[in-house]
Amino acid sequence: DAKTTQPNSMESNEEEPVHLPCNHSTISGTDYIHWYRQLPSQGPEYVIHGLTSNVNNRMASLAIAEDRKSSTLILHRATLRDAAVYYCILLYGGATNKLIFGTGTLLAVQP
Amino acid sequence: DSGVTQTPKHLITATGQRVTLRCSPRSGDLSVYWYQQSLDQGLQFLIQYYNGEERAKGNILERFSAQQFPDLHSELNLSSLELGDSALYFCASSPWDGDSGANVLTFGAGSRLTVL
Repeated sequence: DAKTTQPNSMESNEEEPVHLPCNHSTISGTDYIHWYRQLPSQGPEYVIHGLTSNVNNRMASLAIAEDRKSSTLILHRATLRDAAVYYCILLYGGATNKLIFGTGTLLAVQP
Repeated sequence: DSGVTQTPKHLITATGQRVTLRCSPRSGDLSVYWYQQSLDQGLQFLIQYYNGEERAKGNILERFSAQQFPDLHSELNLSSLELGDSALYFCASSPWDGDSGANVLTFGAGSRLTVL
C-alpha cells in the first residue's frame, strides 16, 4: 500500500484558514486521495476525496499537486469544532482495497 | 447521527470471557467494515463484509470472528478476551463492495470494550 506522510500536529487560530499537508510520493495512477477526521471520542468522519483535480465540498477543499505526489486539505475558516485528528489516506480501486489509517495530524484550534 | 448504529456503547467484562458487538449499517449500504482502535495501535482494519460475504481481512486475531447477516447487520465476536483487547471497536459501512478507489465509508460511534 502506498504510504502518506503528515505532520504529527498543527495549530491554528479560530476563523483563520488551515492548510493540512500530506505527502504521498509513491502514489500510483489509480490511487484516490481521501481525508477523514476523528473528533475526540467519536468515530472517523469522511471529509473529502479526489483523484487528480482539486475538489470542494461544504466541509473543505482538497488541493492536489500536478504530479499528485502531495496534497493539501484546506479548512477555509477553522472553528473550535474542527479540532481533531486528520488522516490522509490513499485508496486504490481493487477488490481488497481498504482504508488504512496512519497516525494523522492532530489539529489544535485556539480561540 | 451517521446512520451506522453500534451496540453496546460500553462493555466491561473479564479476561477469558466472550462478547458480541453489533453493527447496523446505514440504510442502503451493503458493505460493513470493522476497525479496532487502541491507544498504542491506532486505528486497525480488522475485516470487511459485502452482502454477507467476507471481502477483505486485516489484522484480525483468530480469537475474533465476524459475520454479516441477510438483513445486512454485522456482529463481531471476541472470545478468550485478554487485557490487551480493551479498545474502541468501530463499524463502518459503504454502498459498494470496495473495489472502487472512490469508496467512502461512514463510521459509527463505536463500542468501547474494557477487559478487566
